Amino acid sequence: DIQMTQSPSSLSASVGDRVTITCRASQSISSYLNWYQQKPGKAPKLLIYAASSLQSGVPSRFSGSGSGTDFTLTISSLQPEDFATYYCQQSYSTAITFGQGTRLEIK
Amino acid sequence: QVQLQESGPGLVKPSETLSLTCTVSGGSISSYYWSWIRQPPGKGLEWIGYIYYSGSTNYNPSLKSRVTISVDTSKNQFSLKLSSVTAADTAVYYCARRRVTMVRGVKDYYYYYMDVWGKGTTVTVSS
Repeated sequence: DIQMTQSPSSLSASVGDRVTITCRASQSISSYLNWYQQKPGKAPKLLIYAASSLQSGVPSRFSGSGSGTDFTLTISSLQPEDFATYYCQQSYSTAITFGQGTRLEIK
Repeated sequence: QVQLQESGPGLVKPSETLSLTCTVSGGSISSYYWSWIRQPPGKGLEWIGYIYYSGSTNYNPSLKSRVTISVDTSKNQFSLKLSSVTAADTAVYYCARRRVTMVRGVKDYYYYYMDVWGKGTTVTVSS
């Protein structure tokens, strides 16, 4: 299986901050990387697919980059509704795997 | 707008089979892949498997011996069966649509992602 490792596991930030979350794959996955946001008690929501493509309806303050083994999710200016847990997920392998999640908390 | 709704027993006894159904509304089940994902309490997401509307399947290797996913296109539903459950199978179970976007270039690239999710259903394994 391809292992996905996110860092940090948790992060405290303030409204208006620029935040970056990193996801590293255990082998090259080209651009087959998706990002999801999950709020407590809710289903995950797709933010970014194919490493950098913004899902329809997702605010433009979210962006994704990377290729190969290293990827980032950036939130350019944190809004109150962005405090949540974020997961990366690889779709390179037929055995889909997720990162362990990054919990973004209010400072 | 496509919506997904999970249904099934919230309590299953150890060693028995967990059975869940996902009903697709607002669109057809045809031409898409459909997935099951679970999340144990306080933990991360684990992919269980997916099925194409035609019936072809792919399962998580760690669960493959216990999982069966099936589809009923006439009812616009797909289902999950997980056998020989233990307390470790206690989780919120989500169904999701697996969509593909093709990017044409020197060669064609197919990017898969889960774009529509159900709200999830909690399944507890306990006697």
